[in-house]
Amino acid sequence: GAVVSQHPSRVICKSGTSVKIECRSLDFQATTMFWYRQFPKKSLMLMATSNEGSKATYEQGVEKDKFLINHASLTLSTLTVTSAHPEDSSFYICSARDWRAAAKGYTFGSGTRLTVV
Amino acid sequence: GENVEQHPSTLSVQEGDSAVIKCTYSDSASNYFPWYKQELGKRPQLIIDIRSNVGEKKDQRIAVTLNKTAKHFSLHITETQPEDSAVYFCAPRGNNNDMRFGAGTRLTVKP
Repeated sequence: GAVVSQHPSRVICKSGTSVKIECRSLDFQATTMFWYRQFPKKSLMLMATSNEGSKATYEQGVEKDKFLINHASLTLSTLTVTSAHPEDSSFYICSARDWRAAAKGYTFGSGTRLTVV
Repeated sequence: GENVEQHPSTLSVQEGDSAVIKCTYSDSASNYFPWYKQELGKRPQLIIDIRSNVGEKKDQRIAVTLNKTAKHFSLHITETQPEDSAVYFCAPRGNNNDMRFGAGTRLTVKP
């Protein structure tokens, strides 16, 4: 089945630094990937939709200059949290859909737990 | 955008009982209605989904029913087991093919 690999699974960084999170579709081409963040005991909130070869579409209230998304190939999308602050600490997770298999659902990465100290 | 409401937020049942979770959405163009199960610290796992041309779908102890007119769909779990304890999310897919998650339902199955 479709697999999405997400790295790193955990990262601790200092305030003011940047962190890059990668999501790769391993056995299918993902023209679109979705990035979510999830606070403890809360739901997944869609941050942005990442489209291969074009600019990402950000949800209202999500700062595009702070959460940089790059989707340069059909199998890789990256989310960079720039100038991270403690309030950015969260669980970040991507998802993609295998467009070859319209009957299948979306596949999620394993998530990245970001802690900013 | 799509507004998604999920009820109840918490649900506690005795092992063997049934559990029902309801999801209401606003986008009449939604055409794909999945339910996800998420265990602590892990990724959501698709447990069942239904498309707009079907009213009900069943997979062993799990079923999903869809009422497109009323814009809601429900997850039904029968003969619940302790391992069913988790957080369940609905995530109807809108016109942009993006999924908006409900707030989640924490299901606890007591042995």
